[in-house]
Amino acid sequence: SQTIHQWPATLVQPVGSPLSLECTVEGTSNPNLYWYRQAAGRGLQLLFYSVGIGQISSEVPQNLSASRPQDRQFILSSKKLLLSDSGFYLCAWGSRHEQFFGPGTRLTVL
Amino acid sequence: ELKVEQNPLFLSMQEGKNYTIYCNYSTTSDRLYWYRQDPGKSLESLFVLLSNGAVKQEGRLMASLDTKARLSTLHITAAVHDLSATYFCAVDTGGSEKLVFGKGTKLTVNP
Repeated sequence: SQTIHQWPATLVQPVGSPLSLECTVEGTSNPNLYWYRQAAGRGLQLLFYSVGIGQISSEVPQNLSASRPQDRQFILSSKKLLLSDSGFYLCAWGSRHEQFFGPGTRLTVL
Repeated sequence: ELKVEQNPLFLSMQEGKNYTIYCNYSTTSDRLYWYRQDPGKSLESLFVLLSNGAVKQEGRLMASLDTKARLSTLHITAAVHDLSATYFCAVDTGGSEKLVFGKGTKLTVNP
């Protein structure tokens, strides 16, 4: 069966610091991978998605970036965090008919 | 641009009562998803509706899809406290497997 991991689970970072969140998937090959952000009390916003290694599509202009160095690894990064980057970051992988979500990383930028 | 609207956004109901959550979307799509999110947790897949007229049921929850009306409903029967959560619908943007989510309906079931 497929499993999706995210780490860290919780992160507190100062404004202006860098960020790296990692997502890995087990039990599937060549999945579509997604990064979403959920601000407090809000819905989900798609940030990036990837259909293969090195292929990244950005949905929302911002100071975040994503990379997919391996088939089942998806990384979300920032060089300098903003207060507005705080939120719950969810990684998901997709099959043809469904998306499955990881446990999430709660990021607080102070 | 695909827009997905859920209503109500907040729903407080008593145990044993029935209610329906609505999900409207703005452009043609034949794939609709319902997810549940408990506080501080990730999203759990509830239903995947893939065609017009699709109806799926799990326990006290039943979801349906009317692609002509661009409407999906999530019906709750005889609510229990354990159903308290936020429910999201999401619509596929047309073969790209990118989902657009509604803002969610926060359901509170009171004893």
